[in-house]
Amino acid sequence: GNSVTQMEGPVTLSEEAFLTINCTYTATGYPSLFWYVQYPGEGLQLLLKATKADDKGSNKGFEATYRKETTSFHLEKGSVQVSDSAVYFCALSDRSSSASKIIFGSGTRLSIRP
Amino acid sequence: EPEVTQTPSHQVTQMGQEVILRCVPISNHLYFYWYRQILGQKVEFLVSFYNNEISEKSEIFDDQFSVERPDGSNFTLKIRSTKLEDSAMYFCADRGQPMNTEAFFGQGTRLTVV
Repeated sequence: GNSVTQMEGPVTLSEEAFLTINCTYTATGYPSLFWYVQYPGEGLQLLLKATKADDKGSNKGFEATYRKETTSFHLEKGSVQVSDSAVYFCALSDRSSSASKIIFGSGTRLSIRP
Repeated sequence: EPEVTQTPSHQVTQMGQEVILRCVPISNHLYFYWYRQILGQKVEFLVSFYNNEISEKSEIFDDQFSVERPDGSNFTLKIRSTKLEDSAMYFCADRGQPMNTEAFFGQGTRLTVV
């Protein structure tokens, strides 16, 4: 079945550091890939998405590229801020099925030190 | 980002009681999900609901759970007889139509069973 694997956290970085959160997936069809972010005490917000191979999703300085050859969708940001502290979830949805649910990874907690 | 509204934001209930969690999705949309997140853990799929019918459900979604859209707007999740282990954040998500790639999540309802 379909699944998502994320690097385990927590990840602690200093402000302005470079961020990478690894995500790999297993899918039988043609998944769309997502990163969702959950700020403390809040719900899930869509951060970015990519719907086909080699697409790059980007938002708020974050980027992720859909790599079919390595089945990966790693999240990157060149210079993190304290306000980026949150839990980040990689997720997929298999568009080949009209009833497809969104499957989440286990989440990676990111803490940024001033 | 489109807004999905959930009520209440926090509910405390005694074990064995029935609870109803409510979601107001985006107008004219047809495809919804319920997810839950036990504190600090993974976001787990419960059920998907398309065009007023359940399209998929997980093993978690047993006979104690039900969903409906009684008035064509509110989308509800009912837990018939709550257990301590039902304590979690419950998220409603709106996907609009099956061909859409992403889903938009509400802020969640924190359910505490005592």
